This record gives sequence, structure tokens and C-alpha cells, in this order.
Amino acid sequence: EAGVVQSPRYKIIEKKQPVAFWCNPISGHNTLYWYRQNLGQGPELLIRYENEEAVDDSQLPKDRFSAERLKGVDSTLKIQPAELGDSAVYLCASSPGTTEKTQYFGPGTRLLVL
Amino acid sequence: GNSVTQMEGPVTLSEEAFLTINCTYTATGYPSLFWYVQYPGEGLQLLLKATKADDKGSNKGFEATYRKETTSFHLEKGSVQVSDSAVYFCAIKAAGNKLTFGGGTRVLVKP
Repeated sequence: EAGVVQSPRYKIIEKKQPVAFWCNPISGHNTLYWYRQNLGQGPELLIRYENEEAVDDSQLPKDRFSAERLKGVDSTLKIQPAELGDSAVYLCASSPGTTEKTQYFGPGTRLLVL
Repeated sequence: GNSVTQMEGPVTLSEEAFLTINCTYTATGYPSLFWYVQYPGEGLQLLLKATKADDKGSNKGFEATYRKETTSFHLEKGSVQVSDSAVYFCAIKAAGNKLTFGGGTRVLVKP
């Protein structure tokens, strides 16, 4: 069974540029999560989807970040415009549902903003 | 709110040494507890978990016991290998279905 797929793996952009990350969860997983992991720290949740509905986006900086999961499968996280402080690893995770507590993580996208 | 505190690294050990990484948490209700591992250049992988008090999670020679009275979930391995070099994250999942992670502990095992 394929795991969580993310692309790109690495991205270098200049500040004020837009950037987008893509995630395809494990087949059949209804719940999808986006996390941000700053260097030397643990991941922090940005947004959680149940199917196509964003049920927890309280930690998403909505002035510059947006996310979508239009068909309840794959998802895109966007930053526009990027700032230097956005340099981090962006992780996507999925789980079968809200009652299944185990989350499975993708390899992440490492973003560097210059 | 929920929080996780784990010992800071790096922890440097010789092969076959005993490893312990302390993890304590604060949470409302009865959280599920997890240890994730991140090998160099790879994503987070679930190492083990425990969902109720006194449960012991185990995998790949690692163990951790859910201690509700001390709100702890310490990770242990009796004999580490070079291949165990990685960053280990303790995490809890309480009400709201949200994972809260500790800051991670880097472990380096030398031959």
C-alpha cells in the first residue's frame, strides 16, 4: 500500500513569491492534516480536513496561507506571499477517520525562503 | 492547553547501550500517547502507541508504558544499534483529534 505522497520534496523561493505544496493521502483515509515543522522543533498542526471539509483551521495564518481539498482526496496548501519565517518543513498526514487515532505522515516538503 | 515535554538532546550513546528518553505531558481528559521517529532525510514514522493507562506500546525493541499517575510515556530500548540514530518525538492526542508534539530528541548511536 502506498504511503502519503507529497510534492515537491524541496522548494527554494524568494520572499514575496507564492508557493504551493501538494499531498495525496493513503487511499481510503478520510482525514487529512497539514503540519509545519520548524527546524529543531516538533510539528504543529495548521489545518485538518474531514473529507472535503476543513474542521480545524484555527492555527492556519489565513492572511497568507490557504488550503483546499476539493474532492476529499488530495490537497493543496498555498502560501502567498511567502515570508522568510515560512522556511520550514511542511508535512502532510492522513488517518482513516476521527475514531482512528494513528496518523501516517508523508516525507514532507522542505521550503526555504530567501 | 495540551503540551508535551521531552528531554532535550542530543543524546549520544555507544552501540548496545541502554536508551531512555523521558516524556511528560499535560492534557485534558485521557489522551492517546505516541512515539514517532524521524530518520535522517525521511518523514515521521509511528514507532509505538498506547491508548489507555498502563498500556505498554512496543516495536523494534522499543517500549513505552502509559503512566497516568505521573503523566509520562518514557521511551526505552535495552540495546541500541547504529541504525537507531534518529530524532524521536513524543506526541499526545486528546480531545479534538489533534496531535501535539514535543520538541524532539536527537539520538546518535556510535559504533
